[in-house]
Parts: sequence; structure tokens; C-alpha cells
Amino acid sequence: GESVGLHLPTLSVQEGDNSIINCAYSNSASDYFIWYKQESGKGPQFIIDIRSNMDKRQGQRVTVLLNKTVKHLSLQIAATQPGDSAVYFCAENPNSGGYNKLIFGAGTRLAVHP
Amino acid sequence: EPEVTQTPSHQVTQMGQEVILRCVPISNHLYFYWYRQILGQKVEFLVSFYNNEISEKSEIFDDQFSVERPDGSNFTLKIRSTKLEDSAMYFCASTVIQGAGDEQYFGPGTRLTVT
Repeated sequence: GESVGLHLPTLSVQEGDNSIINCAYSNSASDYFIWYKQESGKGPQFIIDIRSNMDKRQGQRVTVLLNKTVKHLSLQIAATQPGDSAVYFCAENPNSGGYNKLIFGAGTRLAVHP
Repeated sequence: EPEVTQTPSHQVTQMGQEVILRCVPISNHLYFYWYRQILGQKVEFLVSFYNNEISEKSEIFDDQFSVERPDGSNFTLKIRSTKLEDSAMYFCASTVIQGAGDEQYFGPGTRLTVT
């Protein structure tokens, strides 16, 4: 039979507000982390990444924060827009090197209301 | 901007049949991956491929699965005898030479439906 799908946590925000999406990762040896955005029916789209020797990295309207002590990652989106509505996944690379697998988190659905 | 492409976008097959999912990675990338996503669940790693051989595979990637890079551009995933539980979105990804960035670029996916 079919597997029961995970119930994704949902973050609902008003257009123009800031959004914060959180993620707990599992492997303390992971040294590279990525946030992906997935729109309905599409593949994961890279947003921003961060290495374990950093605790903050900024992009255009997005900021990723890394707290290695508690194995926590967050994605901040400034001035959230309707086009930001999607499911957001954090992913960790448990080994150094780009050829290794990514381990994805469960995902958070971001719903932006006008 | 270069992108990973996948064909077909949707494949319907009967249980027990063989399917081949095709991917064209970004042209200067050397590391290739297949992931799958069962409806409503998270993305799961299947296999990584470098220098014409498998680098790592997950428990999901049993002997019913195989990958191949038959020429300089295509990267394929074959499922020899499909099962109902193989129904999922299958994503191909690729990344550039190690050291130049670890970002994996994903294709749009192939939805596989096994009936």
C-alpha cells in the first residue's frame, strides 16, 4: 500500500513580513548545509548554503544561521513575497566534499498571504 | 543559465516492467546523483556516481536499480522490475568539480507511477 505522507509544518505569513524557517540536523560531523526551495511539481531549487566554519551567511533577501552547539539551522527571508510560497528543505552533507549525498530534512511549507 | 533536464516528466508503468529514467546533467559537472521523493515525504538519496562508477548508494538502491552514463551527456536510472512502492518523483542532480562549490543542482524530476 501507499506510505502515509508526513504532515508538513506550515508557516503562514503576511506579504512583506519576515519569515524564519527552522531546521534541526542530525549529524554533528556534517560540515556543509544547504537550504532548498521546492515549488509544487518541481525539483528542489538552491537558495543558500553555509559551511560549518561560519555561523551566518547572507544572500539576497535571505540569511542562513547555523548553531552547531545545538545542531540548528535557520533560514530568514526578508520582506516575504507571494512567490516565496513553497516547501523549504534544509539538507546536510554528512561528509566533506561535493560528491557526497545530501540528507534532507522533513520540510516546512511557507504560505504567504497578500 | 545551465540546468539539469530530465525525461520523461511522467512515466506510468505496470508492476514488474522495466523503466529507464533519463537525465542530462549540466555539461561541466562531474558528479551525478539520483534522489527520490515519495508523495508528501522528504527527498531521499539513492545513489551518487563519479568517474563512471557508483560512489555511494543507499539501502533503497538494491539490485533492482542500476545507473549508467552511456555517453558524454546522459545519466540514466534503470529499475528492472518495478514495484508499487517505487511510485515516486525521481530527481537527478549534478555538481561541479569538488572544491569549486558543493551545491547540487536538481532537475525537474520524473514522476513514476507504478500500477
